[in-house]
Amino acid sequence: EPEVTQTPSHQVTQMGQEVILRCVPISNHLYFYWYRQILGQKVEFLVSFYNNEISEKSEIFDDQFSVERPDGSNFTLKIRSTKLEDSAMYFCASSQTGGQFFGPGTRLTVL
Amino acid sequence: KQEVTQIPAALSVPEGENLVLNCSFTDSAIYNLQWFRQDPGKGLTSLLLIQSSQREQTSGRLNASLDKSSGRSTLYIAASQPGDSATYLCAVQRASWGKLQFGAGTQVVVTP
Repeated sequence: EPEVTQTPSHQVTQMGQEVILRCVPISNHLYFYWYRQILGQKVEFLVSFYNNEISEKSEIFDDQFSVERPDGSNFTLKIRSTKLEDSAMYFCASSQTGGQFFGPGTRLTVL
Repeated sequence: KQEVTQIPAALSVPEGENLVLNCSFTDSAIYNLQWFRQDPGKGLTSLLLIQSSQREQTSGRLNASLDKSSGRSTLYIAASQPGDSATYLCAVQRASWGKLQFGAGTQVVVTP
């Protein structure tokens, strides 16, 4: 069964560094999303992406964040100048005809 | 502003009992409601998707109902097993490919 994959599974970085989180959505899906879950909190929407552009973003998704689909398979989330409060699980999701399918997540730890 | 609430926050039942998990939302103008399962430190596994025009969906031992007018959905898990122990999340979607808005989840423990 097709699935969304994410790499790395765990990323540790120093405050102020840049990180890139990678996702491979399900191959025939057209809509892509990033969410995050801070430990003990709700899953929060960050951004949605369709047809090579952002379709919606949350207040969290400020200039520190960017997304890109560099080729036909990958979908990336870049976080510039990471802060301690960026520590969270980051989930990628994709969708085709309704219903979103999630990857296993990347645990980001900012020290 | 849409608010999604799940009650109870935690639930413990003996194996074999039926589980009833509740989800409520404040804005009835939803397109989809989706139920997920999350194991500790893991991703979200989609369980059931209910479109706004539907009243319920079933998959094996799982049945989810949707009452848009009252802003409620209920997930029933029949004959619970220890392997059902996880956190169950509901999420609503306002537009067909829009963002999901999640509840905080119900943590379920099924004891042998």
